[in-house]
Amino acid sequence: GEQVEQLPSILRVQEGSSASINCSYEDSASNYFPWYKQEPGENPKLIIDIRSNMERKQIQELIVLLDKKAKRFSLHITDTQPGDSAMYFCAASGESSSFSKLVFGQGTSLSVVP
Amino acid sequence: EAAVTQSPRNKVAVTGGKVTLSCNQTNNHNNMYWYRQDTGHGLRLIHYSYGAGSTEKGDIPDGYKASRPSQENFSLILELATPSQTSVYFCASGDWGEGDTQYFGPGTRLLVL
Repeated sequence: GEQVEQLPSILRVQEGSSASINCSYEDSASNYFPWYKQEPGENPKLIIDIRSNMERKQIQELIVLLDKKAKRFSLHITDTQPGDSAMYFCAASGESSSFSKLVFGQGTSLSVVP
Repeated sequence: EAAVTQSPRNKVAVTGGKVTLSCNQTNNHNNMYWYRQDTGHGLRLIHYSYGAGSTEKGDIPDGYKASRPSQENFSLILELATPSQTSVYFCASGDWGEGDTQYFGPGTRLLVL
């Protein structure tokens, strides 16, 4: 089945700089790639997603890039703020589009320091 | 945003005991999911459901059963709890018609002693 690798597991950046998280997947049939943010003690919340018919998507300071040939996708957070500190998970849909079954990466703990 | 609730929020169980975790969603989503979250493993799918009456095995179903008696409710059952099942469990719901987005409940912290 689908497997998703997420790196780095820990990321520490200076406030105002950019943060990048990278994910790779195995199943070329995967067509949906969401990113979730999880704050301590909270549930994961969808922050941005991208489908296989797109290569780039931006929502405010969040940018997602998708390289289908390389089976890689990435999240870039520009102008990071302390409120961006959290766990981030990437995921890929592991089944056909008739049913959404997500496979998650291992997570990245992002710390934004002043 | 979809409303997904879970109960209990915290549970302490004894080894060999039966544990039932409940999930309710009020958005009429067809699909519901149970995940467990452990440090270093992210979120792993235990069971999922297409709709009332259906349950399917996810990636790590051993030791768990699921029940979907209605559109709104999806339960995860540990017939004989073991310490290795100590974890945080998340329920989620979603619908392909809403673009595959999954909405997560608040989680249940389970400690098996």
